[in-house]
Formats: sequence, structure tokens, C-alpha cells
Amino acid sequence: DAKTTQPPSMDCAEGRAANLPCNHSTISGNEYVYWYRQIHSQGPQYIIHGLKNNETNEMASLIITEDRKSSTLILPHATLRDTAVYYCIVRVAYNQGGKLIFGQGTELSVKP
Amino acid sequence: DADVTQTPRNRITKTGKRIMLECSQTKGHDRMYWYRQDPGLGLQLIYYSFDVKDINKGEISDGYSVSRQAQAKFSLSLESAIPNQTALYFCATSDYVGTVDTQYFGPGTRLTVL
Repeated sequence: DAKTTQPPSMDCAEGRAANLPCNHSTISGNEYVYWYRQIHSQGPQYIIHGLKNNETNEMASLIITEDRKSSTLILPHATLRDTAVYYCIVRVAYNQGGKLIFGQGTELSVKP
Repeated sequence: DADVTQTPRNRITKTGKRIMLECSQTKGHDRMYWYRQDPGLGLQLIYYSFDVKDINKGEISDGYSVSRQAQAKFSLSLESAIPNQTALYFCATSDYVGTVDTQYFGPGTRLTVL
């Protein structure tokens, strides 16, 4: 699975959009970009994933650059409950090992 | 995710004791996983199972064993607990739609070995 790079921490004002970047310059053509988050000591929560097209669901939007070397997770109206560590993970879709490799992630603090 | 439950949620035990952590899911997924997380670190895979008859070691399986009693149940055992197994343990399940595999995690078990 390709390596990802994320800023260690970010702040966001409540009600504003949170834009979390991720670099994955060595991504392969068959690798997807996944985003998970972990609120303190809780189980990681799946947010969204994509291959090359931009994706949106009820939680967030995922913007992937045309060359696929970076992506941005957008939380459109951040709330205090969105404070968490956000993990960008790149992996093949049907990974024989099944493993998700969680890096250090970005610690997002949403402030009033 | 309420569809994946873990018991117990907290456990304190002593060195040398045998401990079992249980995971149940109502999502109907074939794949199940056990991870551990140490403070400030990412998750490490202990064991994974693609179906009842298919169980595989992860990256840190030493000192652990598992049992897949049914599609919905996957148990993790520490045969003789030691203090460096103190950690948060997470169970996860996954489905795959088309060719995409997405994992859903339980709430975790906090295990302390004295």
C-alpha cells in the first residue's frame, strides 16, 4: 500500500468547512483512497473512499486531484463532535491481507 | 458502530492469566479482524478471518489466538497475559461491494495487565 503524508494537526472554527489534505504521490492505479477518523479511544469510523472521481456522502466530500497524488477530505460544516484524528489510507480495494495501515493522521480540533 | 459489539469493554487482569475478548456482529459480513492500539500509535493487526474456516495471522500474532465460532462471532484469547499486552483492542468487520472492502469497527476493549 502506498505511503501517505498528512499534517499532524489542524484547527477549524465551528460551522466552517474543514479541509484535510493528504499526499500520496506513490499511489498505484488500482489503489483507493480511504478516510477514517477516530474520536478519542473509540473505534475508528469509516468516512468515505474514492478511486479517481470526487465523492460525496452524508458525512463528507473527497476531492482527488487529477494525477491522484493528493486528496482533500472536506467536512462542510464542522461541529465540535468532529474533533478527532483523521486518517488517510491508500490501499488496493481487495487487499489479500485485509489490513488497514493507519499512519499518524491529522488531529483536527474544532473550536467554538 | 452498534452493529459490532465487543465484550468486555474494560478488563483488568494479572500476569499469567488467560483472557478472552469477544466480538459479535449483526452486519452479516464474512470478514472479521482483531487489532490492538497502543497509546499514541496506530492500529496493528493481530488476526483476521475471511470466513469461518479461513483464519490468518496478522503482524503481531505472537501471544494471541483466535476462534471463529460462527460468521457473527470472532474471539481473541491471550493464553498467558503479560503487561506489554496492555492496550486497546478493536474488532472490525468488512464487506466488499464490487471490489471495494470497507472495514467497520467495534467500540473497543481496554485491557490492562498488571
